[in-house]
Amino acid sequence: GENVEQHPSTLSVQEGDSAVIKCTYSDSASNYFPWYKQELGKRPQLIIDIRSNVGEKKDQRIAVTLNKTAKHFSLHITETQPEDSAVYFCAASEGSGGSYIPTFGRGTSLIVHP
Amino acid sequence: KAGVTQTPRYLIKTRGQQVTLSCSPISGHRSVSWYQQTPGQGLQFLFEYFSETQRNKGNFPGRFSGRQFSNSRSEMNVSTLELGDSALYLCASKEGKNEQFFGPGTRLTVL
Repeated sequence: GENVEQHPSTLSVQEGDSAVIKCTYSDSASNYFPWYKQELGKRPQLIIDIRSNVGEKKDQRIAVTLNKTAKHFSLHITETQPEDSAVYFCAASEGSGGSYIPTFGRGTSLIVHP
Repeated sequence: KAGVTQTPRYLIKTRGQQVTLSCSPISGHRSVSWYQQTPGQGLQFLFEYFSETQRNKGNFPGRFSGRQFSNSRSEMNVSTLELGDSALYLCASKEGKNEQFFGPGTRLTVL
């Protein structure tokens, strides 16, 4: 089955710095890669996703890059703010036609110091 | 639209008992997935239901089961509870290839 490794497990940055979280996956059949943000005591929320036919996607201060050959994808957050502090999960998923079988990374706790 | 709702929010059971959790998806969403979240194992996929049929299944024992009703509401059942089943159980709904939305979760404690 799929295996997703996520690094680092904890990331501490100063407000305004950039943060990068990296994930690797094992199954070349995976074709959908979402990133979720989970604040303490709250539900996970999708912040950005990318499909295997795209190499990069941006949404304001957040970007995701995908390298299918190397089987890794990364989340980039620029100009970090204290409200970005949360646990971030990556996932790799295979499926088609809306079917979704995700495998998650273990999460990265991002701490943004004011 | 109302978000995904789950009941109950908190549950305490003892070993050997069984439990049923309920999830109401966003109106119009036909896919409902269930996840287990624990500090040790992280977030793990249990199963996905679509139009009353189990479409995908994760790597969990047969004690974990689920079903979906014609109105897309879903229930999951855990029989013969073990201490290790203590977790936050999340459901999520989506329609087609669109974004998946999570519910608030049910916190299950097994004593």
